[in-house]
Amino acid sequence: AQRVTQPEKLLSVFKGAPVELKCNYSYSGSPELFWYVQYSRQRLQLLLRHISRESIKGFTADLNKGETSFHLKKPFAQEEDSAMYYCALSGTGFQKLVFGTGTRLLVSP
Amino acid sequence: EAGVTQFPSHSVIEKGQTVTLRCDPISGHDNLYWYRRVMGKEIKFLLHFVKESKQDESGMPNNRFLAERTGGTYSTLKVQPAELEDSGVYFCASSPLWGPGTDTQYFGPGTRLTVL
Repeated sequence: AQRVTQPEKLLSVFKGAPVELKCNYSYSGSPELFWYVQYSRQRLQLLLRHISRESIKGFTADLNKGETSFHLKKPFAQEEDSAMYYCALSGTGFQKLVFGTGTRLLVSP
Repeated sequence: EAGVTQFPSHSVIEKGQTVTLRCDPISGHDNLYWYRRVMGKEIKFLLHFVKESKQDESGMPNNRFLAERTGGTYSTLKVQPAELEDSGVYFCASSPLWGPGTDTQYFGPGTRLTVL
């Protein structure tokens, strides 16, 4: 079965603190993993994907196939990072996204 | 370039009524997806069009939901008759078949449906 688990509904940190949003997945095969973000009053948008191995807005995520995890990390959180973050997976090709329940990140000054 | 658009942004209807949601994908995007987020739960896939053909409709909850994409451009999602459990936010997303960005789904702002 395909499943994405985000154990934290809310993560509250102070500005400048490190952030780690957890994501674990279950998939029989080689999935593609993504992080989507929804800022207040904006639409859902792609933050990063594992195949790109890129850093976007200071965020990185490493796919750990042994632990079936794809945690999102940022060393120094900023107030503008406050948003809803969704981890998602898909199969290869043009397949549906399977989303986690999301984690709300709140960065306080 | 205009992004994915959805209409209406909000809809409030009574149980038993019919509602039609519309999605206009990014021009040139042949892939079109519908998703739904019911309150407190995860965003769930409903169906996937490639041009005008239904590629995957495994997420459609029941036969009260009908999706169409005539001509392979915009898509409609009709709920008839609506039930209370249909309340939620309906998202549309699109992606191209070829070229850059094929692995990225671009989302619309969503339609918030409330069934009373």
